[in-house]
Amino acid sequence: KAGVTQTPRYLIKTRGQQVTLSCSPISGHRSVSWYQQTPGQGLQFLFEYFSETQRNKGNFPGRFSGRQFSNSRSEMNVSTLELGDSALYLCASSPNRDSLYFGAGTRLSVL
Amino acid sequence: KNEVEQSPQNLTAQEGEFITINCSYSVGISALHWLQQHPGGGIVSLFMLSSGKKKHGRLIATINIQEKHSSLHITASHPRDSAVYICAVSPGSARQLTFGSGTQLTVLP
Repeated sequence: KAGVTQTPRYLIKTRGQQVTLSCSPISGHRSVSWYQQTPGQGLQFLFEYFSETQRNKGNFPGRFSGRQFSNSRSEMNVSTLELGDSALYLCASSPNRDSLYFGAGTRLSVL
Repeated sequence: KNEVEQSPQNLTAQEGEFITINCSYSVGISALHWLQQHPGGGIVSLFMLSSGKKKHGRLIATINIQEKHSSLHITASHPRDSAVYICAVSPGSARQLTFGSGTQLTVLP
């Protein structure tokens, strides 16, 4: 079974641009969650989706948004990028409450 | 004060040593996760605990809900165990995690 796939793996953008990151969960997993990791703040929860519905959102500004499609694939979007948005963005999928499988992440650099 | 505190922040051990990493949290939780992150960023979920103890190979995780404390033990440590170990708690939803700052473990041959 293929693991959680995140694309692209690396991305360079400039301030003010927007970016879309993609996450394909493990086949059969209906839950997708997103996390941001920075050197200063560590790991922080962004969103959680289940069956195309956002269940929870972390303490991030409205510039951060996401969605989940009927095939469970998920995207997150960051508009009007700021230097502080430079981070490793991780996606995880779950088949149930007890398991969490992470993707390799997308490393975003904002210049 | 952070909701999730890990200790130590850094740990260097010799191959074969018994290792303990501690995690204390201040909120009510439904579950606690132990995660492993290798250089390059990939994260592996090691354990999810809501009570008691779990064992997988050389890894053992325990949780004391009353004391709001969990420990991760590694027996017979090996250089390939070198990684950052992260404790994370779920106050509600299992995926809405609050993370500790991690413990950098280095195991020397």
